[in-house]
Amino acid sequence: AQRVTQPEKLLSVFKGAPVELKCNYSYSGSPELFWYVQYSRQRLQLLLRHISRESIKGFTADLNKGETSFHLKKPFAQEEDSAMYYCALSRPTLGRLYFGRGTQLTVWP
Amino acid sequence: DTAVSQTPKYLVTQMGNDKSIKCEQNLGHDTMYWYKQDSKKFLKIMFSYNNKELIINETVPNRFSPKSPDKAHLNLHINSLELGDSAVYFCASSQPGGDTEAFFGQGTRLTVV
Repeated sequence: AQRVTQPEKLLSVFKGAPVELKCNYSYSGSPELFWYVQYSRQRLQLLLRHISRESIKGFTADLNKGETSFHLKKPFAQEEDSAMYYCALSRPTLGRLYFGRGTQLTVWP
Repeated sequence: DTAVSQTPKYLVTQMGNDKSIKCEQNLGHDTMYWYKQDSKKFLKIMFSYNNKELIINETVPNRFSPKSPDKAHLNLHINSLELGDSAVYFCASSQPGGDTEAFFGQGTRLTVV
């Protein structure tokens, strides 16, 4: 079975501070990992995926297979980053996403 | 030009009623999904539907039945609604494969009273 754990339900930082949203997973195979974001009153959308190894809106996430983690990081948080962030896993060849419980990020001015 | 659209956006109904939520995608994707977001914002897969193959999450009560008239539509029908069915239901679509991006609808907030 697969599981995604986001230990922080709420996370608050001040503008300009670094931010890290934690995500750990358990899965016996090689998962595909994603971060999805839901801004206020908007639909859930993909932020980034580990296979792309890219930076989106200043966010990066590195897959650490040894620690089974996929933490999301940004060196300087902005107010517009305030949103709900979901870490998600899918199994190879299957598109179904298994989500963590989400972390509500608030960036204060 | 909304990629994945759901109707209605809000649905308030009484216990015991039967209701449907419609979903349409214009992305040409082969796979569609329904997710449920509970009051604690936890998102859980309910169904996935790929080229007429329905895969049901075993924890979903059989009062929930997805129906796909064609590859661009996946509707969700719910019988005998219960208070615990109150949630936000999200439709999504993607191409097949584990590493593809899922595109979500705006959600349908169902309230059972």
